[in-house]
Amino acid sequence: DIQMTQSPSSMSVSLGDRVTITCRASQDIGNYLSWYQQKPEKSPKLMIYGATNLEDGVPSRFSGSRSGSDYSLTINSLESEDTGIYFCLQHKQYPYTFGAGTKLELK
Amino acid sequence: EVQLVESGGGLVQPGRSLKLSCAASGFTFSNYYMAWVRQAPKKGLEWVATISTSGSRTYYPDSVKGRFTISRDNAKSSLYLQMNSLKSEDTATYYCARDNNYGFAYWGQGTLVTVSS
Repeated sequence: DIQMTQSPSSMSVSLGDRVTITCRASQDIGNYLSWYQQKPEKSPKLMIYGATNLEDGVPSRFSGSRSGSDYSLTINSLESEDTGIYFCLQHKQYPYTFGAGTKLELK
Repeated sequence: EVQLVESGGGLVQPGRSLKLSCAASGFTFSNYYMAWVRQAPKKGLEWVATISTSGSRTYYPDSVKGRFTISRDNAKSSLYLQMNSLKSEDTATYYCARDNNYGFAYWGQGTLVTVSS
């Protein structure tokens, strides 16, 4: 199975910060990587797909990138609505596997 | 508008069975792979099952293989998850999700399954 190692597990951030969350894949997954935001008591929401593509309706301050087996989600100029938990997902092969999640909180 | 509405969750004893349903609307259901994803309380997300458009192909992680069965009725735009031999570790909110091939673009609101005696 492909392991997705996500870091950090939590971040305490300030409004306007630039935030980067990373997932490292244990095997080659190409660009079969997506990012999700989850608010408390809500369903996850797709933010980024294909490692770098912004889902429709997602603010342009969000972006995705890839460097080898490392995949990053970056939020430029954090807004209060961006708090929550972020997960990565590899869907290159079954079993699909999620990262453990990164909880973003405001300082 | 795409909508996915799960139902069928509840309290069940260990070793018993439960069947979840997901009613889809707002898109051509038969054109999409569909999946179930679960989330244990205060925990991360775990992919549980995926089914192909026709239902001929199904995929599971080892944690549920042999106990869970995903199925679909394209005529009714409905997705199902039959869960047998339930364990306490199956306690979670179960989400129905549309697999857009590039990710899970749409999710239901989830249905809570609690396995406890």
